[in-house]
Amino acid sequence: GENVEQHPSTLSVQEGDSAVIKCTYSDSASNYFPWYKQELGKRPQLIIDIRSNVGEKKDQRIAVTLNKTAKHFSLHITETQPEDSAVYFCAASSGAGGTSYGKLTFGQGTILTVHP
Amino acid sequence: DGGITQSPKYLFRKEGQNVTLSCEQNLNHDAMYWYRQDPGQGLRLIYYSQIVNDFQKGDIAEGYSVSREKKESFPLTVTSAQKNPTAFYLCASSTEGTSQPQHFGDGTRLSIL
Repeated sequence: GENVEQHPSTLSVQEGDSAVIKCTYSDSASNYFPWYKQELGKRPQLIIDIRSNVGEKKDQRIAVTLNKTAKHFSLHITETQPEDSAVYFCAASSGAGGTSYGKLTFGQGTILTVHP
Repeated sequence: DGGITQSPKYLFRKEGQNVTLSCEQNLNHDAMYWYRQDPGQGLRLIYYSQIVNDFQKGDIAEGYSVSREKKESFPLTVTSAQKNPTAFYLCASSTEGTSQPQHFGDGTRLSIL
């Protein structure tokens, strides 16, 4: 099955700096890569996603890049703010049991702390 | 307002007891999922269902059971066979397609008494 590795496990930056979180995946059939932000005790919220036919996607201060050949994808946050502090999870999705529904495998998470 | 509702928010289980976590969605999604989250770890898939009256085991199904009698509802039972049930449980749903986002509920935190 799919295996997703996420690094680093913790990341501390100063406000205004950039933050980069990296993930690798094992299943070449994976075709969808979402990133979730989870604040303490809350639900994971989708912040950006990328599909396998695209190499890069940007949404304001957040961007995701995908390298299918190397099987890795990264989240980039620019001009970080204290409210960006949270746990970030990457995930990879392929068909569940060969069906048309996605089965997500998550990374272990990165605790991002942005210091004012 | 569409979304996923999980209840209760907090749940306590006694030794030898089965408990059921509720998950309801009004997003008209076909697929529903249950995940377990332990401190400092990612989400692990317990069970998923793509259609009414059908469901499949995920990566950590032992000690859990589910049913899918209605499209809107996907309850999870934590049985007494699950020896380490203390965790944060998250329900999610999605539309058809391997590249469709999953939307999550607010979670249920289960603890042992």
